[in-house]
Amino acid sequence: EVQLVESGGIVVQPGGSLRLSCAASGFTFDDYAMHWVRQAPGKGLEWVSLISWDGGTTYYADSVKGRFTISRDNSKNSLFLQMNSLRAEDTAFYYCAAPEEGYWGQGTLVTVSS
Amino acid sequence: DVVMTQSPLSLPVTLGQPASISCRSSESLVHSDGNTYLNWFQQRPGQSPRRLIYKVSKRDSGVPDRFSGSGSGTDFTLKISRVQAEDVGVYYCMQGTQWPLTFGGGTEVEIK
Repeated sequence: EVQLVESGGIVVQPGGSLRLSCAASGFTFDDYAMHWVRQAPGKGLEWVSLISWDGGTTYYADSVKGRFTISRDNSKNSLFLQMNSLRAEDTAFYYCAAPEEGYWGQGTLVTVSS
Repeated sequence: DVVMTQSPLSLPVTLGQPASISCRSSESLVHSDGNTYLNWFQQRPGQSPRRLIYKVSKRDSGVPDRFSGSGSGTDFTLKISRVQAEDVGVYYCMQGTQWPLTFGGGTEVEIK
């Protein structure tokens, strides 16, 4: 059974930093590109970032470029998102996902508030 | 980036009646490998998205056959032949032909 389990979501002040983690199991992790997708409360899905299977290629949404960094550790079947200079508009559920394969985690809530 | 436009925004449906959701892309979704990477996701209240359809019309394992996808190029449709109570939620189309992935804005299906 495919499992993606996110962790690290908390309440953080504007300007703060946070690192999200995602533990993958049930599939060959290093065969797939991985993504972070977020969803603000009551809003739609917004793609945030992707990383290729080997970590050699990364992409970011304009809204997070220069502030967020995606990475992976294939030896530990893990995906990460380093989030710096957080803003109120970054408040959302963050999903670890391989949407092209239909794989989604349960999400972790990041709240940016003073 | 490819822009995905869904309609309608909200879709009230009577139980047992059909429902149809439209999704249009700003560019053709035909990949150079010949496949069209158009997916449909269902998100029930309080849950993560669940993929229903991939490559336009292929149903994921366990998805009821009342769900069907069709279309080509830039125009795609998700149909529910007979809406059930458990179909309530928001439906999203997503293209995977070009990186970055992009999603439609969502269609909320509710029971009249």
